[in-house]
Parts: sequence; structure tokens; C-alpha cells
Amino acid sequence: DVKVTQSSRYLVKRTGEKVFLECVQDMDHENMFWYRQDPGLGLRLIYFSYDVKMKEKGDIPEGYSVSREKKERFSLILESASTNQTSMYLCASSGYYGYTFGSGTRLTVV
Amino acid sequence: RKEVEQDPGPFNVPEGATVAFNCTYSNSASQSFFWYRQDCRKEPKLLMSVYSSGNEDGRFTAQLNRASQYISLLIRDSKLSDSATYLCVVNTPSNTGKLIFGQGTTLQVKP
Repeated sequence: DVKVTQSSRYLVKRTGEKVFLECVQDMDHENMFWYRQDPGLGLRLIYFSYDVKMKEKGDIPEGYSVSREKKERFSLILESASTNQTSMYLCASSGYYGYTFGSGTRLTVV
Repeated sequence: RKEVEQDPGPFNVPEGATVAFNCTYSNSASQSFFWYRQDCRKEPKLLMSVYSSGNEDGRFTAQLNRASQYISLLIRDSKLSDSATYLCVVNTPSNTGKLIFGQGTTLQVKP
């Protein structure tokens, strides 16, 4: 069964901390994505990657960066966490039949 | 105009009812269409792809109207377990695999 794994289900971080969210897929997909989901705003694309070491900004990249050193792993980095980055973060991997999502990381920045 | 628009609802229906959701998309070059289901505090999961000829999966029927750029999802004989948010999803005409998500339509099926 296809799988996308996010390293943490819940995370609490302090303002100003550097935060790493990890995502691993076992489907050999080239395309991977990071979204955040907030009530009333739906899913918003932060960054995506279509190959190792390749990345493109999504709709809301400010305050975030990403790393794709290996095909199966796509990391989202919050350089200096702020309270407005409190959200649900969803990683996805893309194949022929659309996206497979990880179970999400609910991040709270205090 | 949003790239994918849905009525957020909520749609409150009794068990056994038939309910339909519509969604419009703005990019006429889009080629792939999907409905995803998202339960509360869970990740979205693929419900079904939407094909030009329309397709059915049990109680669920999806249809695509390219001329009017809308997609529909029909649920017959609603069950309590159908309560969820349904996301309309459209691809971007590129080779990145990027999808555009609607905000979702919330369905609440009541006993």
C-alpha cells in the first residue's frame, strides 16, 4: 500500500525556533508537495518539488524553505517560527491517481 | 476569481437522502479532475477520479462538463458515515503534477 509518512503528528514550538517537518514517501514519485490547511482558507501550497534538488515556490512560500536531497524525502523548514505559522501541515506525493497525503502535522507556535 | 470554487455548505441532510455538490474551475486547459474526502482532523483521501464520460462508484457518481467547466458529485442513499468535507480538485496544465484544491463542501448526514 502506498505510503506518505510525516515525522510528527503534533508539534509545539516556540517563536523564533527553527522547525523541521519531515516527509517520506515509498512510491518512487518524483513530485512532492507541502501544503498548510487553515479553517476557511482551505489547502494552500507552500512549496513543491518535481525532482531531487529541484524546488518551486507555491502560493505562500514566505517564511518557509524546503530541502529535497533524496527522492523519497521532502523537508519543510520554518526558518524562524512565528505564531501565524500555527497550522496543519500536509505533505503529499503525486502519482497517476492524484495525490497521496501524509497524515499531517499539527504545529502550534507559542 | 478562485481557480476552483465550491459552495462550502454545510449541507445538512437526513439519512437516505440524495445530495449533489457542484464545483467550477477556471482553467479550461485542465485535464484531470478528482473528488477527495476529508474527515475532521484527518488528511484528504482520494474518493474518485472524474472522467469525461462520467463515472460511478457504488452510491457515488461524478460528472464533468467541460463546456461549462464544472464538476459534480452525487451521493445517493446518504449514510451517517458520509459526513465529511468533499474537496473538488483540478490539475494545473503542467508536468509538475500540481493540483488545485477547492475549499471543500461540508456534508453532515443526520439520523
